[in-house]
Amino acid sequence: GQSLEQPSEVTAVEGAIVQINCTYQTSGFYGLSWYQQHDGGAPTFLSYNALDGLEETGRFSSFLSRSDSYGYLLLQELQMKDSASYFCAGAPGNQGGKLIFGQGTELSVKP
Amino acid sequence: DTGVSQDPRHKITKRGQNVTFRCDPISEHNRLYWYRQTLGQGPEFLTYFQNEAQLEKSRLLSDRFSAERPKGSFSTLEIQRTEQGDSAMYLCASSDDWDRGVGAEQYFGPGTRLTVT
Repeated sequence: GQSLEQPSEVTAVEGAIVQINCTYQTSGFYGLSWYQQHDGGAPTFLSYNALDGLEETGRFSSFLSRSDSYGYLLLQELQMKDSASYFCAGAPGNQGGKLIFGQGTELSVKP
Repeated sequence: DTGVSQDPRHKITKRGQNVTFRCDPISEHNRLYWYRQTLGQGPEFLTYFQNEAQLEKSRLLSDRFSAERPKGSFSTLEIQRTEQGDSAMYLCASSDDWDRGVGAEQYFGPGTRLTVT
């Protein structure tokens, strides 16, 4: 089957670093994406890992280990506006197409 | 370009009625996706198009759901004989072609919130 597991919620303080893990069971995911969704808003793309290793985009980094079926999103220098739900999503196809989303991790950033 | 737009933003309907939603993707995007999201869950894939061709439809999608993209631009999602379990946020997304080196990023619209009473 194809499913992704994430912690349901994480709490951190402003300025801290937080890591959101994602493990998946799949018969063939090609890459892992991360999306952010604020309450009442649309999901917005954060990053995509096609290969093993770390991808860095500003304060956000994402890591993938395909052999371990594991990835994570690292958020540095947390800000209050980072409070949102974060979803990992796997692409079953090798040329994009549909995404299979995890259930999401609700991040609360406290002052 | 103003991004992906969806209409209506909210729809309240009675059980058994038919509803139709519209999605206008980013103009240069060939791929268009429909997802459904319920509270506390991640988006669930429904179907996707490459231009006007419907390439995949979720096996979980009942025959009451149908989607079209007749000219490869906007798309419609119709739900016939709505049930209370259809209440959800219906999200549309679009992306570039994969073989142009991008396409991993899907751009989501604001969604249509459906409430079936």
